Amino acid sequence: EDQVTQSPEALRLQEGESSSLNCSYTVSGLRGLFWYRQDPGKGPEFLFTLYSAGEEKEKERLKATLTKKESFLHITAPKPEDSATYLCAVASIIQGAQKLVFGQGTRLTINP
Amino acid sequence: NAGVTQTPKFQVLKTGQSMTLQCAQDMNHEYMSWYRQDPGMGLRLIHYSVGAGITDQGEVPNGYNVSRSTTEDFPLRLLSAAPSQTSVYFCASSHLGQGERGYEQYFGPGTRLTVT
Repeated sequence: EDQVTQSPEALRLQEGESSSLNCSYTVSGLRGLFWYRQDPGKGPEFLFTLYSAGEEKEKERLKATLTKKESFLHITAPKPEDSATYLCAVASIIQGAQKLVFGQGTRLTINP
Repeated sequence: NAGVTQTPKFQVLKTGQSMTLQCAQDMNHEYMSWYRQDPGMGLRLIHYSVGAGITDQGEVPNGYNVSRSTTEDFPLRLLSAAPSQTSVYFCASSHLGQGERGYEQYFGPGTRLTVT
């Protein structure tokens, strides 16, 4: 059974204090690992897709990396507007259809 | 492009009532799906569709029906609402995963449903 575990559940940082969020996964045949950002009362917003171990993607203060067992979302010098819940999901292809399994998310708060 | 749209944004039902949550996308995506999001449970797949006329069950399908008559629309029906269906519902769409790669899904703004 595909599983995704995110840690920590919640993280409070000061503005400018860099850190990393973790996403550990087990999946039978990874077809992609996705990071999303979700603001309160909104739908998840797509950030990154990673397909193979060693791959990295960057966007502004965010950088996502992937190994065979986990992914990290590194946040460099965060600002208060980076406060959100960050979701990780893994994709598998079953009978030609893609299915995503999500982790429970990390709630990130950046204090000014 | 409006992306993925959902209506209504909020809904309160009494136990036993039925209703349909609407979802539409204008990105010509083949794949559409419904999720529910509950505190501590993450997003869980209810039903999905890989094209018009083709639907299948996800992780938590009981109590919900879907149909897909067009590429753009994918409504979710609650036949007889129960308090356990109180949740936030998200519709998502994407291109179909092909071969070794899946594609990112784009989500709507959600419908917050309360069943009393």
